Amino acid sequence: AQKITQTQPGMFVQEKEAVTLDCTYDTSDQSYGLFWYKQPSSGEMIFLIYQGSYDEQNATEGRYSLNFQKARKSANLVISASQLGDSAMYFCAMREDLTGRRALTFGSGTRLQVQP
Amino acid sequence: DAGVTQSPTHLIKTRGQQVTLRCSPKSGHDTVSWYQQALGQGPQFIFQYYEEEERQRGNFPDRFSGHQFPNYSSELNVNALLLGDSALYLCASSLVGDSRGDGYTFGSGTRLTVV
Repeated sequence: AQKITQTQPGMFVQEKEAVTLDCTYDTSDQSYGLFWYKQPSSGEMIFLIYQGSYDEQNATEGRYSLNFQKARKSANLVISASQLGDSAMYFCAMREDLTGRRALTFGSGTRLQVQP
Repeated sequence: DAGVTQSPTHLIKTRGQQVTLRCSPKSGHDTVSWYQQALGQGPQFIFQYYEEEERQRGNFPDRFSGHQFPNYSSELNVNALLLGDSALYLCASSLVGDSRGDGYTFGSGTRLTVV
């Protein structure tokens, strides 16, 4: 069963506008972590933001925020004030534990293109 | 502070051959995980090494094997290469028990092409 679902293969956004990338997940665990990574054409996975399942506040890191809706099992990434350098693949991932010992499960990704 | 280093960056092999990919973890990290990312897909977990032993394994055949050395660096070996093994192979390092989101660091990957 697919554990991470990203339903937007591609997204376009105008420079300086905000964009939301969708992610839903499936797990029966109570303890898990959710991640968002950016992958430019160079291939490296760049960590953006993390949300633990017990975190009460939505995570924020600069222009990135995570809209965590636990009951709906969604963890959408919001990028504010998009920049041309934000054009890349974005992956949502989940780790089904909070110890840091388990592997990550990734979604299929969303390609974001920022237009001038 | 060097991040995760992978070598080589690109590789072309023929079907049936064997390949070895290498990974040096970020300084201070002791755990190495390997992922396969086929074109247009998300990374898939292959296996994880800690204390020189394979600790977890994803749904990959025995043709995929690995090793971790005392200095925490790691190798990924793939035998009897198939065309479907063509992918970007990513190495990620971490410190065991570190659950922070930014505690998991990826390298830039090795792009393997099987012809």
